[in-house]
Amino acid sequence: KAGVTQTPRYLIKTRGQQVTLSCSPISGHRSVSWYQQTPGQGLQFLFEYFSETQRNKGNFPGRFSGRQFSNSRSEMNVSTLELGDSALYLCASSLEGGASGELFFGEGSRLTVL
Amino acid sequence: KNEVEQSPQNLTAQEEEFITINCSYSVGISALHWLQQHPGGGIVSLFMLSSGKKKHGRLIATINIQEKHSSLHITASHPRDSAVYICAVKSRETSGSRLTFGEGTQLTVNP
Repeated sequence: KAGVTQTPRYLIKTRGQQVTLSCSPISGHRSVSWYQQTPGQGLQFLFEYFSETQRNKGNFPGRFSGRQFSNSRSEMNVSTLELGDSALYLCASSLEGGASGELFFGEGSRLTVL
Repeated sequence: KNEVEQSPQNLTAQEEEFITINCSYSVGISALHWLQQHPGGGIVSLFMLSSGKKKHGRLIATINIQEKHSSLHITASHPRDSAVYICAVKSRETSGSRLTFGEGTQLTVNP
C-alpha cells in the first residue's frame, strides 16, 4: 500500500510569489491535514479537509488556503509569499480523522522563500 | 505557558540505556500522539493513546488522563533511535484531526 506522497519535495520561491503544494493520501483515507514546521514555532496545524470540506482551520492568515478533490488528494496554496513562510510543510492522512484516527505523514515539502 | 510541554528538550544517552521522555498538557484531550522525526524531516506516528499503556517492540507509551501526563519509554536504546520525539494532543474541544504539538525532544544515542 503506497504511503502519503507529497510533491514537490523541495522548492525555492521569491517573496511575493505564490506556491501550490500537493498531498496524495493513502488509498481509502478521506482526511488530509496540513502542518507547518519552522525552527522558531515548531509544528503548527494549518487545516484539515475531509470529504472535500474544510473541517478545521488553524491560526494562519488568509494567504494560506487549501482544497481537497473528490479522490481525496489535497493541495495547499500560499499566496504573496513572505520570508517567514520558509518552512517544512507536512501533510498527514487518516481514514476518518477525529479522535480515533491514526495519522500517516508524508515526507514533507521544504519551501525556501528568498 | 504552552498547552503541551515536553521534557527534556535534549537528551544524550549511551547505547542500551533506558530512556524516558515526558509530556504534560493543560487541556482536556481525546487522544495523545507520540511522533518520531528523523533528520530528513519525515514523521512517523509511534503511538496514539487515550488511556493506559501501549507497547511496540522496545517502545512503551503510557498516559495518565487525571494527571494530564504521558511518558514515552525506550528500552535498550540504540543509535538508530536518535531522532526528535514529539508529543501532540487532540483537544476534546475540537473535531477532526487538529493537533497541538510539543516542542520536541532531541534524542541522541551514542554507541
